[in-house]
Amino acid sequence: QQQVKQSPQSLIVQKGGISIINCAYENTAFDYFPWYQQFPGKGPALLIAIRPDVSEKKEGRFTISFNKSAKQFSLHIMDSQPGDSATYFCAASPRNTGNQFYFGTGTSLTVIP
Amino acid sequence: DTGVSQNPRHKITKRGQNVTFRCDPISEHNRLYWYRQTLGQGPEFLTYFQNEAQLEKSRLLSDRFSAERPKGSFSTLEIQRTEQGDSAMYLCASSHHRDRTTEQYFGPGTRLTVT
Repeated sequence: QQQVKQSPQSLIVQKGGISIINCAYENTAFDYFPWYQQFPGKGPALLIAIRPDVSEKKEGRFTISFNKSAKQFSLHIMDSQPGDSATYFCAASPRNTGNQFYFGTGTSLTVIP
Repeated sequence: DTGVSQNPRHKITKRGQNVTFRCDPISEHNRLYWYRQTLGQGPEFLTYFQNEAQLEKSRLLSDRFSAERPKGSFSTLEIQRTEQGDSAMYLCASSHHRDRTTEQYFGPGTRLTVT
């Protein structure tokens, strides 16, 4: 059973546009929600993360929006660039456990010049 | 380079052989995680250590898999009697555990191909 559901599976955006990737979860014990960026042949790299006590977190061109009541969170990439072309994974981790991450299935983003 | 390192980066082996991977975490991190990632999927949790203690194992970790972290430093993941279904990227991550969940930093992974 997929603990974190991610959409879309793939996304094509024009350079300068906004990329939006969505994730949803059911487990109310989740209390940490990171986003990772992965290039082919590389390990995932942490982009940005949020806890449920805030509704939005922004770092540079990357913003996480968090809706606790809907159990949804999303990544917005502003002014998307060709170098942003990668696979993006959302994840969630429950409190008071080993803090293992449950990952979504990934979104392949292509930014067209 | 102070990041997480993994060796080897690639491993090709024949079905039935044993393989061992190594992970060196970020030096001050007390937690170390192993994940498996198959093509087109997100990483799946296998096991984790806090210092030298292995505290949790996923049901994905069959009895052919064993992991160690002697002295709470580097870790090894061994797969015995490899099967074609073991072909995947094996990722290691480390974190500095505090009271709440903290960031996990991933290594580049070891890609295993079982022929």
